Amino acid sequence: SQKIEQNSEALNIQEGKTATLTCNYTNYSPAYLQWYRQDPGRGPVFLLLIRENEKEKRKERLKVTFDTTLKQSLFHITASQPADSATYLCAPVQAGTALIFGKGTTLSVSS
Amino acid sequence: DGGITQSPKYLFRKEGQNVTLSCEQNLNHDAMYWYRQDPGQGLRLIYYSQIVNDFQKGDIAEGYSVSREKKESFPLTVTSAQKNPTAFYLCASSRDREAGYTFGSGTRLTVV
Repeated sequence: SQKIEQNSEALNIQEGKTATLTCNYTNYSPAYLQWYRQDPGRGPVFLLLIRENEKEKRKERLKVTFDTTLKQSLFHITASQPADSATYLCAPVQAGTALIFGKGTTLSVSS
Repeated sequence: DGGITQSPKYLFRKEGQNVTLSCEQNLNHDAMYWYRQDPGQGLRLIYYSQIVNDFQKGDIAEGYSVSREKKESFPLTVTSAQKNPTAFYLCASSRDREAGYTFGSGTRLTVV
Protein backbone atom coordinates (compact mmCIF):
# COMPACT_ATOMS: atom_id res chain seq x y z
CA SER A 1 0.00 0.00 0.00
CA GLN A 2 1.04 3.62 -0.45
CA LYS A 3 2.96 5.04 2.46
CA ILE A 4 4.37 8.45 3.34
CA GLU A 5 6.87 8.88 6.17
CA GLN A 6 8.06 12.18 7.54
CA ASN A 7 11.32 11.81 9.40
CA SER A 8 10.33 12.60 12.91
CA GLU A 9 7.28 13.86 14.68
CA ALA A 10 9.16 16.77 16.25
CA LEU A 11 12.25 18.80 15.42
CA ASN A 12 13.70 21.40 17.77
CA ILE A 13 16.29 23.89 16.53
CA GLN A 14 17.72 27.25 17.51
CA GLU A 15 16.90 30.48 15.76
CA GLY A 16 19.18 31.17 12.82
CA LYS A 17 19.92 27.51 12.07
CA THR A 18 18.71 25.57 9.05
CA ALA A 19 15.85 23.16 9.60
CA THR A 20 15.77 20.07 7.38
CA LEU A 21 12.63 17.96 7.17
CA THR A 22 12.44 14.65 5.32
CA CYS A 23 9.58 13.05 3.40
CA ASN A 24 9.93 9.48 2.16
CA TYR A 25 7.28 7.69 0.15
CA THR A 26 6.75 4.10 -1.02
CA ASN A 27 4.50 2.54 -3.64
CA TYR A 28 4.04 5.93 -5.29
CA SER A 29 5.06 7.36 -8.62
CA PRO A 30 4.24 11.01 -8.05
CA ALA A 31 4.49 13.55 -10.81
CA TYR A 32 4.71 16.32 -8.21
CA LEU A 33 5.19 16.74 -4.52
CA GLN A 34 3.70 19.50 -2.40
CA TRP A 35 4.61 20.93 0.99
CA TYR A 36 2.22 22.63 3.40
CA ARG A 37 2.43 24.43 6.71
CA GLN A 38 -0.21 23.90 9.41
CA ASP A 39 -0.60 25.96 12.56
CA PRO A 40 -2.56 24.57 15.56
CA GLY A 41 -6.31 24.65 15.00
CA ARG A 42 -5.95 25.93 11.44
CA GLY A 43 -6.13 24.45 7.96
CA PRO A 44 -2.87 23.72 6.11
CA VAL A 45 -1.41 26.42 3.89
CA PHE A 46 0.24 25.54 0.58
CA LEU A 47 3.95 26.44 0.42
CA LEU A 48 5.64 24.85 -2.57
CA LEU A 49 5.19 22.37 -5.39
CA ILE A 50 8.10 20.58 -7.04
CA ARG A 51 7.83 18.55 -10.24
CA GLU A 52 9.52 15.20 -10.86
CA ASN A 53 11.87 16.75 -13.42
CA GLU A 54 12.97 19.48 -11.00
CA LYS A 55 15.77 18.62 -8.63
CA GLU A 56 15.41 21.70 -6.48
CA LYS A 57 13.05 24.61 -5.97
CA ARG A 58 13.44 27.73 -3.85
CA LYS A 59 11.09 30.32 -2.43
CA GLU A 60 12.57 32.97 -0.16
CA ARG A 61 14.09 31.04 2.80
CA LEU A 62 12.56 27.73 1.70
CA LYS A 63 14.26 25.11 -0.43
CA VAL A 64 12.79 21.78 -1.54
CA THR A 65 14.55 18.90 -3.27
CA PHE A 66 12.93 15.92 -4.96
CA ASP A 67 14.79 12.67 -5.66
CA THR A 68 12.54 10.20 -7.49
CA THR A 69 15.24 7.50 -7.33
CA LEU A 70 15.46 7.67 -3.54
CA LYS A 71 11.71 8.40 -3.35
CA GLN A 72 12.47 11.29 -1.05
CA SER A 73 11.92 15.02 -0.70
CA LEU A 74 13.87 17.30 1.63
CA PHE A 75 12.43 20.59 2.89
CA HIS A 76 14.87 23.18 4.20
CA ILE A 77 14.17 26.42 6.07
CA THR A 78 17.28 28.58 6.25
CA ALA A 79 17.86 31.25 8.90
CA SER A 80 14.94 29.84 10.86
CA GLN A 81 12.83 32.10 13.07
CA PRO A 82 10.43 31.38 15.95
CA ALA A 83 7.60 32.33 13.56
CA ASP A 84 8.54 29.27 11.47
CA SER A 85 7.35 27.02 14.32
CA ALA A 86 4.51 24.90 12.92
CA THR A 87 3.75 21.45 11.55
CA TYR A 88 4.94 20.82 8.01
CA LEU A 89 3.18 18.29 5.80
CA CYS A 90 4.31 16.69 2.57
CA ALA A 91 1.99 15.28 -0.07
CA PRO A 92 3.12 13.33 -3.17
CA VAL A 93 0.77 13.98 -6.07
CA GLN A 94 -0.43 11.20 -8.35
CA ALA A 95 -2.55 11.99 -11.39
CA GLY A 96 -6.28 11.60 -11.01
CA THR A 97 -6.38 11.25 -7.24
CA ALA A 98 -6.69 13.53 -4.26
CA LEU A 99 -3.71 14.38 -2.10
CA ILE A 100 -2.67 11.95 0.60
CA PHE A 101 -0.67 13.69 3.31
CA GLY A 102 2.10 12.55 5.57
CA LYS A 103 1.51 12.89 9.32
CA GLY A 104 3.79 15.90 9.43
CA THR A 105 6.82 17.07 11.34
CA THR A 106 6.33 19.65 14.08
CA LEU A 107 9.13 22.21 14.02
CA SER A 108 9.94 24.31 17.08
CA VAL A 109 12.39 27.17 16.68
CA SER A 110 13.65 28.63 19.93
CA SER A 111 15.11 32.11 20.30
CA ASP B 1 -11.39 38.16 -1.23
CA GLY B 2 -11.65 34.70 -2.71
CA GLY B 3 -11.58 31.85 -0.28
CA ILE B 4 -13.16 28.79 1.20
CA THR B 5 -15.59 29.02 4.10
CA GLN B 6 -16.46 26.28 6.53
CA SER B 7 -19.25 26.65 9.01
CA PRO B 8 -19.79 26.37 11.83
CA LYS B 9 -16.37 26.55 13.50
CA TYR B 10 -17.54 24.42 16.44
CA LEU B 11 -20.38 21.92 16.41
CA PHE B 12 -21.79 19.78 19.17
CA ARG B 13 -24.17 16.92 18.52
CA LYS B 14 -25.69 14.07 20.44
CA GLU B 15 -24.70 10.53 19.58
CA GLY B 16 -26.97 9.01 16.95
CA GLN B 17 -27.79 12.30 15.21
CA ASN B 18 -26.79 13.11 11.66
CA VAL B 19 -25.01 16.42 11.17
CA THR B 20 -24.08 18.37 8.02
CA LEU B 21 -20.92 20.45 7.73
CA SER B 22 -20.93 23.30 5.26
CA CYS B 23 -18.15 24.11 2.79
CA GLU B 24 -18.44 26.96 0.26
CA GLN B 25 -15.78 28.36 -2.08
CA ASN B 26 -15.75 31.38 -4.39
CA LEU B 27 -12.46 30.54 -6.07
CA ASN B 28 -14.10 28.97 -9.13
CA HIS B 29 -12.21 25.75 -8.39
CA ASP B 30 -13.48 22.55 -9.98
CA ALA B 31 -12.20 20.13 -7.35
CA MET B 32 -13.20 19.98 -3.68
CA TYR B 33 -12.15 17.67 -0.86
CA TRP B 34 -13.01 16.65 2.70
CA TYR B 35 -10.40 15.53 5.21
CA ARG B 36 -10.58 14.48 8.82
CA GLN B 37 -7.83 15.16 11.35
CA ASP B 38 -7.60 13.55 14.77
CA PRO B 39 -5.30 14.86 17.54
CA GLY B 40 -1.66 14.26 16.68
CA GLN B 41 -2.62 12.60 13.42
CA GLY B 42 -2.32 13.50 9.78
CA LEU B 43 -5.13 14.37 7.41
CA ARG B 44 -7.21 11.45 6.18
CA LEU B 45 -9.26 11.75 3.00
CA ILE B 46 -13.02 11.22 3.34
CA TYR B 47 -14.47 12.19 -0.06
CA TYR B 48 -13.47 14.28 -3.03
CA SER B 49 -15.18 15.72 -6.08
CA GLN B 50 -13.43 16.73 -9.28
CA ILE B 51 -16.53 18.11 -10.98
CA VAL B 52 -20.14 18.97 -10.24
CA ASN B 53 -22.46 15.98 -9.74
CA ASP B 54 -19.54 13.58 -9.34
CA PHE B 55 -17.58 12.47 -6.28
CA GLN B 56 -15.33 9.62 -5.14
CA LYS B 57 -14.76 7.89 -1.84
CA GLY B 58 -11.52 8.46 -0.02
CA ASP B 59 -9.81 6.20 2.49
CA ILE B 60 -12.35 6.61 5.29
CA ALA B 61 -15.72 7.23 3.59
CA GLU B 62 -17.75 4.84 5.76
CA GLY B 63 -20.32 6.71 7.82
CA TYR B 64 -20.12 9.87 5.71
CA SER B 65 -22.02 11.18 2.70
CA VAL B 66 -21.55 14.15 0.36
CA SER B 67 -23.26 15.95 -2.50
CA ARG B 68 -21.95 18.28 -5.20
CA GLU B 69 -24.92 19.97 -6.80
CA LYS B 70 -23.15 23.29 -7.27
CA LYS B 71 -19.55 24.11 -8.11
CA GLU B 72 -19.30 26.35 -5.06
CA SER B 73 -20.62 23.93 -2.46
CA PHE B 74 -19.58 20.52 -1.12
CA PRO B 75 -21.43 19.71 2.12
CA LEU B 76 -20.44 16.71 4.23
CA THR B 77 -22.97 14.75 6.29
CA VAL B 78 -21.68 12.78 9.25
CA THR B 79 -24.20 10.02 9.79
CA SER B 80 -25.00 8.00 12.88
CA ALA B 81 -23.15 5.10 11.23
CA GLN B 82 -19.81 6.87 11.77
CA LYS B 83 -18.42 5.19 14.89
CA ASN B 84 -16.02 7.92 16.06
CA PRO B 85 -17.22 11.21 14.58
CA THR B 86 -15.50 13.56 17.03
CA ALA B 87 -12.69 15.17 15.02
CA PHE B 88 -11.47 18.28 13.19
CA TYR B 89 -12.92 18.38 9.67
CA LEU B 90 -11.17 20.27 6.87
CA CYS B 91 -12.53 21.17 3.46
CA ALA B 92 -10.26 22.15 0.57
CA SER B 93 -10.47 23.09 -3.08
CA SER B 94 -8.04 23.19 -6.00
CA ARG B 95 -7.91 24.55 -9.52
CA ASP B 96 -6.03 21.64 -11.05
CA ARG B 97 -3.54 18.99 -10.05
CA GLU B 98 -0.57 21.32 -10.31
CA ALA B 99 -2.12 23.87 -8.01
CA GLY B 100 -1.88 23.74 -4.27
CA TYR B 101 -4.99 23.14 -2.24
CA THR B 102 -6.76 26.00 -0.49
CA PHE B 103 -8.09 24.87 2.87
CA GLY B 104 -10.88 26.25 4.98
CA SER B 105 -10.41 27.02 8.65
CA GLY B 106 -12.07 23.77 9.70
CA THR B 107 -15.03 22.60 11.76
CA ARG B 108 -14.42 20.96 15.10
CA LEU B 109 -17.18 18.41 15.68
CA THR B 110 -17.79 17.00 19.13
CA VAL B 111 -20.31 14.21 19.61
CA VAL B 112 -21.48 13.64 23.16
